[in-house]
This record gives sequence, C-alpha cells and structure tokens, in this order.
Amino acid sequence: NFMLAQPRSVSESPGKTVTISCTRSSGSIVSSYVQWYQQRPGSSPTTLIYENFQRPSGVPDRFSGSIDTSSNSASLTISGLRTEDEADYYCQSYDSYIHGVFGGGTKLTVL
Amino acid sequence: EVQLVESGGGLVQPGGSLRLSCAASGFTFSRYHMNWVRQAPGKGLEWVAYISGNSGMTYYADSVKGRVTISRNNAQNSLFLQMNNVRDEDTAQYYCARDRTIFGVISIDAWGLGTPVTVSS
Repeated sequence: NFMLAQPRSVSESPGKTVTISCTRSSGSIVSSYVQWYQQRPGSSPTTLIYENFQRPSGVPDRFSGSIDTSSNSASLTISGLRTEDEADYYCQSYDSYIHGVFGGGTKLTVL
Repeated sequence: EVQLVESGGGLVQPGGSLRLSCAASGFTFSRYHMNWVRQAPGKGLEWVAYISGNSGMTYYADSVKGRVTISRNNAQNSLFLQMNNVRDEDTAQYYCARDRTIFGVISIDAWGLGTPVTVSS
C-alpha cells in the first residue's frame, strides 16, 4: 500500500494564496484519483475537490486541485484566503484493491 | 437534500461489540456505494470500509479486517457497521460517507455528522 504525505501545517495572510501538497509514497499519483476534503473545527468533513481537479457545485473557484507527476504529488491551492478557510485539509486516494488512503491532514491558519 | 444520520455509538468495553447504523435520505440509496470513515480524537481521517450499492462487494482497512462487517439494507435506506472484538484504538468518531457512483473509485461526496465510539473498561 502507499501513503499520502501532507505538511502538518501551513499559514498565510488573508487575501493571499496558499498551496497544500500531497505526495504519494509509491506508485504513480495518476494511477488513482485524488480528492480533497475540508474539515472545520467541530464539523464533519466536506468535499472540496474530486477526481484531481473537479469542484462539486457550491465550492468556490478559489479552491483548485492539480497534479504534478514530476514530484508524484497532488496540490490544493486556495486563493483569496479568508478567515473562514481556517480548517484542516485532507487529501485522499485509493489503491487497486479498493482501499481508501487519507493523507495525515494539514492545518491551515489564516493569520 | 442528502442526509446521512449515524447512530449506535457509545461506550463499549475492550473485546465487546457494537453495531453502528446510518439512515440515508434525499437520494436513491441503492445506487450509491457507501463508506465508513473514522477519526480518533485529535487525529486525522481513516478509511474503514466500503460496500457496493448492491452489497455484492465489501472492502476493509487492514486495521479492522476480520473484526468489522459493513452491510446495508437498501429497502430501509440503511448502512451498518458491525464492530466485534473492539480495541482501544477503535475509539473514534465514525462517519457514514456516500461515495460517487463509480465502482472502485473511493471518492466521497457526502458525509454524516458522525457517531462517537469509546472503547474503555
């Protein structure tokens, strides 16, 4: 099985842009889709990005997903940061045996 | 509106059993594959189990395989997680999570509020 590595925390100022990485430990990052979830304190997760870069309806286009095969990683970019973006963010993928894999999560602080 | 409401969590002794339920509404339940995902206190998300829409296929995380069983009743729009021989490390908030319709692609598009399970003597 593989792991997904995320930075434990990132911080940035309101109005700025932040990128959270998710690096796959083995196997190609493009061999399975990557999803991104947001979890605000005390709440259930919500889906921000699915199938690498697709946004569910209702998710602002300030949130975008991308894939970088050179670093075998996926990234979540949040532009125009707002204080309400302060949350934990998780990437997620799955293997060929249909086992889900979550990254360890990244705590975003909007200073 | 899609709703997933979990129940059945609580305090259970190590080695004991517990059955979690999830009542689904607002969509055609049988058409969707479903997951259980858990989150230990102060920790990240952990995928637990997946079941296909027709119950034909089930998959489990290695950490729970052989101790939990995921099942569903499409006539009652319900998802279940039978937990046996529970361990301290099973203490977590358990989320019922709807998957997108592509079989074999774990991609969650709806989450419940969760039900807490505490394993303690």
